[in-house]
Amino acid sequence: SAVISQKPSRDICQRGTSLTIQCQVDSQVTMMFWYRQQPGQSLTLIATANQGSEATYESGFVIDKFPISRPNLTFSTLTVSNMSPEDSSIYLCSVDRQTVDTQYFGPGTRLTVL
Amino acid sequence: GDSVTQMEGPVTLSEEAFLTINCTYTATGYPSLFWYVQYPGEGLQLLLKATKADDKGSNKGFEATYRKETTSFHLEKGSVQVSDSAVYFCALSINDMRFGAGTRLTVKP
Repeated sequence: SAVISQKPSRDICQRGTSLTIQCQVDSQVTMMFWYRQQPGQSLTLIATANQGSEATYESGFVIDKFPISRPNLTFSTLTVSNMSPEDSSIYLCSVDRQTVDTQYFGPGTRLTVL
Repeated sequence: GDSVTQMEGPVTLSEEAFLTINCTYTATGYPSLFWYVQYPGEGLQLLLKATKADDKGSNKGFEATYRKETTSFHLEKGSVQVSDSAVYFCALSINDMRFGAGTRLTVKP
């Protein structure tokens, strides 16, 4: 497995502001993923982040709203821009390691937008 | 498209009861199958997985068998504990990972 940390663990933000979430992995990984989990819901993939290339966004998610950085093989950030209460969710990063089809998740960032 | 359907919750059991959470999948190929668990206030933890038909994944007393003929991967545990209270997600991976809706389990003493 992989040891994955996220910062912040939770935050309460005002409408219209932006928040950057950090994801740090204890070893180099090829692919990192960002998910959103709305209250009481399952996980929805936002984007896949590969080092050295632009992130690939899923339908319904755009770079202007969720810019992602992947500066190296152990770190990524997700920014939630111009937030609204509808962005209140848990944001999770995950990585694949050892085998390409198994993902390991960080502890999540619980975001509340007022 | 590829998808996972999970038994709806919530599920409430008494300690030491038998647990089954049903999961069926639809896939155009041969996916790997997973169960993840999410404890209150935490991220997802991989509980077990199976990568081919008839494989049995097991961990912490939980088991699930990859049944190709019924396209199922039901989660079972013979005797649940209060500490098993969590949300359980079935998932498949073929080109990307798809998750079920999650099943909330509450175990009462």
